[in-house]
Amino acid sequence: DGGITQSPKYLFRKEGQNVTLSCEQNLNHDAMYWYRQDPGQGLRLIYYSQIVNDFQKGDIAEGYSVSREKKESFPLTVTSAQKNPTAFYLCASSPRLRGSVETQYFGPGTRLLVL
Amino acid sequence: RKEVEQDPGPFNVPEGATVAFNCTYSNSASQSFFWYRQDCRKEPKLLMSVYSSGNEDGRFTAQLNRASQYISLLIRDSKLSDSATYLCVVNGKRGGGSQGNLIFGKGTKLSVKP
Repeated sequence: DGGITQSPKYLFRKEGQNVTLSCEQNLNHDAMYWYRQDPGQGLRLIYYSQIVNDFQKGDIAEGYSVSREKKESFPLTVTSAQKNPTAFYLCASSPRLRGSVETQYFGPGTRLLVL
Repeated sequence: RKEVEQDPGPFNVPEGATVAFNCTYSNSASQSFFWYRQDCRKEPKLLMSVYSSGNEDGRFTAQLNRASQYISLLIRDSKLSDSATYLCVVNGKRGGGSQGNLIFGKGTKLSVKP
């Protein structure tokens, strides 16, 4: 089945620890995105990538890093510089971004909790 | 005006009721509009795109008023399974080429009761 997968479903982070959230898609989509959702809040864009080996900061990139070495994969690292990392992290993909705004499809999300 | 603003809710309605969600957006250059549905502790899922002429999908009707920068979603004959948070989504100015990326409203929670 085609889709977007995220792992793990739950992740616990200790103080000063970097953690990496996985996002994989087999939809052959060009663009991929990472969002953060806090309770009662809308989704906020962390990073996005339109093409392999290229990515752009979103609205709240500080304390996060990404890579896009393969079309299918867009992992997000939450670094120790992110002081309030507890949130629901959502990965999305869309067919293309250049010249139009395509519908985005979401993975099931990862809940990150700080110990 | 906030970039995308929705009724805060929650809306508590009986089964079979008709319920309307409203949304306003600030960027007059926005070209793409969507309604997403998000169940509790789940990911958002596309409900429908919103077209200039308005569009209908079964019990769901979406309308767009560009002059007022206003989007609506109407649910007729509501079902228990319609209980969810409904997110208004509009493309914005930030990043992503000329069209910008998607801006998500905070959502309106709907609870349909028996």
